[in-house]
Amino acid sequence: GAVVSQHPSRVICKSGTSVKIECRSLDFQATTMFWYRQFPKQSLMLMATSNEGSKATYEQGVEKDKFLINHASLTLSTLTVTSAHPEDSSFYICSASPAGKTIGNTIYFGEGSWLTVV
Amino acid sequence: QKEVEQDPGPLSVPEGAIVSLNCTYSNSAFQYFMWYRQYSRKGPELLMYTYSSGNKEDGRFTAQVDKSSKYISLFIRDSQPSDSATYLCAMSVGNQGGKLIFGQGTELSVKP
Repeated sequence: GAVVSQHPSRVICKSGTSVKIECRSLDFQATTMFWYRQFPKQSLMLMATSNEGSKATYEQGVEKDKFLINHASLTLSTLTVTSAHPEDSSFYICSASPAGKTIGNTIYFGEGSWLTVV
Repeated sequence: QKEVEQDPGPLSVPEGAIVSLNCTYSNSAFQYFMWYRQYSRKGPELLMYTYSSGNKEDGRFTAQVDKSSKYISLFIRDSQPSDSATYLCAMSVGNQGGKLIFGQGTELSVKP
């Protein structure tokens, strides 16, 4: 079946540094990918929609200059957390769908990336 | 008011029990309704997917959608310890299918 891969699965970085998380669709092309954030014991909150070849669309309250999203190819989207602070520590999850198929059972989630900022 | 409300639990049941999980929502434009299972520090796994109102059954799982009441349910029959996880409801509008709005998640524990 379709697989979405995230890397790294866990990362620890120092406060003030930047960290990049990759989301890859392994066996399909995705014109759109989505980035979510999940704090402990809380739900997944949509951060932004990543569009291949164009600017990402950010949800209200999400700082676009802090969370840089690049969707440079049909199989790769990256999320860069810039100038990370401890409050950015969270579980980041991406999802993707095959081009033209973005409904319930064709949305595939990555395994998530756990970011700890110290 | 959140767009999607879900009782966070935790919910503890004995093995073999029937589990009922529920979500309510406020956006009448939602057309796609999903239930995901999530184990600790893992990505969510799709369990059930329903379009519009109605029931859907898959093995021990039954999903129900009542759009008139803006209420969806997931039933788990003959619950097993391996069903212990967090269950999240999620919804989307038709023309924004990949953009999911999640409930808070219900933490379920099935005791042997």
